Amino acid sequence: DSGVTQTPKHLITATGQRVTLRCSPRSGDLSVYWYQQSLDQGLQFLIQYYNGEERAKGNILERFSAQQFPDLHSELNLSSLELGDSALYFCASSVGGDGTGELFFGEGSRLTVL
Amino acid sequence: DAKTTQPTSMDCAEGRAANLPCNHSTISGNEYVYWYRQIHSQGPQYIIHGLKNNETNEMASLIITEDRKSSTLILPHATLRDTAVYYCIVRSSGGSNYKLTFGKGTLLTVNP
Repeated sequence: DSGVTQTPKHLITATGQRVTLRCSPRSGDLSVYWYQQSLDQGLQFLIQYYNGEERAKGNILERFSAQQFPDLHSELNLSSLELGDSALYFCASSVGGDGTGELFFGEGSRLTVL
Repeated sequence: DAKTTQPTSMDCAEGRAANLPCNHSTISGNEYVYWYRQIHSQGPQYIIHGLKNNETNEMASLIITEDRKSSTLILPHATLRDTAVYYCIVRSSGGSNYKLTFGKGTLLTVNP
C-alpha cells in the first residue's frame, strides 16, 4: 500500500460525457502528479501540482483539467470523452517538488469509454 | 532528460540474480538514475535511485558505471512476484523538471 488513494477504481461511461477522478496523496506529501497509461502509449505524464500550484505540464489535452485543493487532494477532470481516452489514470505523490526523491503511485482509475 | 535504452524483455530463473541493464549515454552531471517497476496494471513502484555511487536497499542494488553511461539493476534472489516491467529513468534534480518520463521498460519474467 503506497498510501496514495485513487477513486473510483473503475469507471465506464459514454463518449461525450465528463468524469472526475480523485486522488488523495500520502500524508505529508505536497506534490501530486497525474499519469495516463493506455495500451499503445505507455505511461504518459499529464500534469503536476505542488502545494496547490501547477508546477509542470505534460501531454495533457485541452479537454482535460486538474486542480489541487487546500487539503492537497487533487482531481482530474476529463470532458467530451472520446474512445481513445480509455486508459488507466495514475496519481502519484511526493514530499517535495524539487525533482528528487521517489514518487508513490496509487493503484489507478481504469476509465472505459464506450 | 537523457534518454534510456533497455532490452524489451528478459527471463530469469527463480532464486537466481536478475541483472537488468540500462544505457543512458547522454546523461548529464546533475541527472539521477531511477528504477521503478510495474506489476501488471498496478501502480508503478519505486525501487532505487543513484547519482554516481552504487546503491543498495532492501529491494535491489544499483550499479552505475564510472562514466555513468550505463547502469545495472540487480535483484539478488528473484522470486515469481518480481515478474514485472522495469523502468530505468534518468531525471534531473532541481529546476522545473519534476516529472518522470517512462519509456517502454524491460519485461522481466521470473520462471519457476
